[in-house]
Amino acid sequence: AQSVTQPDARVTVSEGASLQLRCKYSYSGTPYLFWYVQYPRQGLQLLLKYYSGDPVVQGVNGFEAEFSKSNSSFHLRKASVHWSDSAVYFCVLSAPLTGNTGKLIFGLGTTLQVQP
Amino acid sequence: GGIITQTPKFLIGQEGQKLTLKCQQNFNHDTMYWYRQDSGKGLRLIYYSITENDLQKGDLSEGYDASREKKSSFSLTVTSAQKNEMAVFLCASSINTGQLYFGEGSKLTVL
Repeated sequence: AQSVTQPDARVTVSEGASLQLRCKYSYSGTPYLFWYVQYPRQGLQLLLKYYSGDPVVQGVNGFEAEFSKSNSSFHLRKASVHWSDSAVYFCVLSAPLTGNTGKLIFGLGTTLQVQP
Repeated sequence: GGIITQTPKFLIGQEGQKLTLKCQQNFNHDTMYWYRQDSGKGLRLIYYSITENDLQKGDLSEGYDASREKKSSFSLTVTSAQKNEMAVFLCASSINTGQLYFGEGSKLTVL
């Protein structure tokens, strides 16, 4: 069965600290993987995506993620967080169906709180 | 760039009422989606549409209807609002697999 697990519902870090948000997936084929961020009272925005190739992908605002097929993981990292990074982060897997339409499988999200 | 516009941002209805949410996109994307977001449950797909006049049921389609009369618009109807319908509904569009562009959401409250 296809699934995405974000084991941490809430993460709290201090401003300037490093960050890792964990994501594990279950999928038999080659996954497309994404991280989306949702700021308060807004829709979701794409942070970064992985289709193939270099397992470390760079995103916006200094975020990066590393794909690991052996660990079935796609963890999100940032070297130094800012208070404005406080948001909900979703790890997402794309499972292609027919044509170009892929059904997305969302994790439950991790709420990041950055303390001053 | 483009934008996804959802109307209304806030919708208050009575239990049993038929309620409609609208979504417009100017990306010229083929595929549009409606998701429901409940606290602690992530996003669940209600309906999606891969082209004008096409409708595909998602995991949560029961109790909802959808309509895609134009490529740029996708509407969602709650056929009979229930108190447990209180949630945020997110519209999105995409041109290829996975990269979605989301609207800001419509919050439904049922009295």
